[in-house]
Amino acid sequence: AQSVAQPEDQVNVAEGNPLTVKCTYSVSGNPYLFWYVQYPNRGLQFLLKYITGDNLVKGSYGFEAEFNKSQTSFHLKKPSALVSDSALYFCAVRPPGGSYIPTFGRGTSLIVHP
Amino acid sequence: GAGVSQTPSNKVTEKGKYVELRCDPISGHTALYWYRQSLGQGPEFLIYFQGTGAADDSGLPNDRFFAVRPEGSVSTLKIQRTERGDSAVYLCASSSVGDTQYFGPGTRLTVL
Repeated sequence: AQSVAQPEDQVNVAEGNPLTVKCTYSVSGNPYLFWYVQYPNRGLQFLLKYITGDNLVKGSYGFEAEFNKSQTSFHLKKPSALVSDSALYFCAVRPPGGSYIPTFGRGTSLIVHP
Repeated sequence: GAGVSQTPSNKVTEKGKYVELRCDPISGHTALYWYRQSLGQGPEFLIYFQGTGAADDSGLPNDRFFAVRPEGSVSTLKIQRTERGDSAVYLCASSSVGDTQYFGPGTRLTVL
């Protein structure tokens, strides 16, 4: 069975500082990994994904994520946080085949302070 | 282009009533997924369609929940004899097969 852990319910960071939102996963085979962002009363918006290739993946809005196979992690990062980045962030994992159904983490609330 | 749309955006119903939630996927996406999201949780898988058929309905919690996609495009999630515990945001997503899922804004269901 596949699973995702987002160990922090909330991350607080000052505007302009770098941010990291953590994600670890468990899956059989090579993982497909995703990050989504959810703003209040909105659906999930796709940020980025890792399938294969470079371990550092660049996505929307200046976000990037680093795949680390040995640590089974896929942490989301941004060099300089904006207040508008404040939202819920979800990590998801799925195996490469099957019915392509991802398992989502519980989410991390990112709060960027002015 | 147009994204995934869901109607209604909000639905309030009474315990025991029947509800239908609609999802309009991105044009050309053959895969369609329904999820349920409770407060403080990530999306929980309900059912996956590939074309018109339900390829995986293992996430449906019980037989009160049913979904259809008769023409391989629009899908309707149907909940019979609603219970207060069914209150949640119901999310729909679509994708090309095996590709990234794109989500709609969700339908917030409240069962009184």
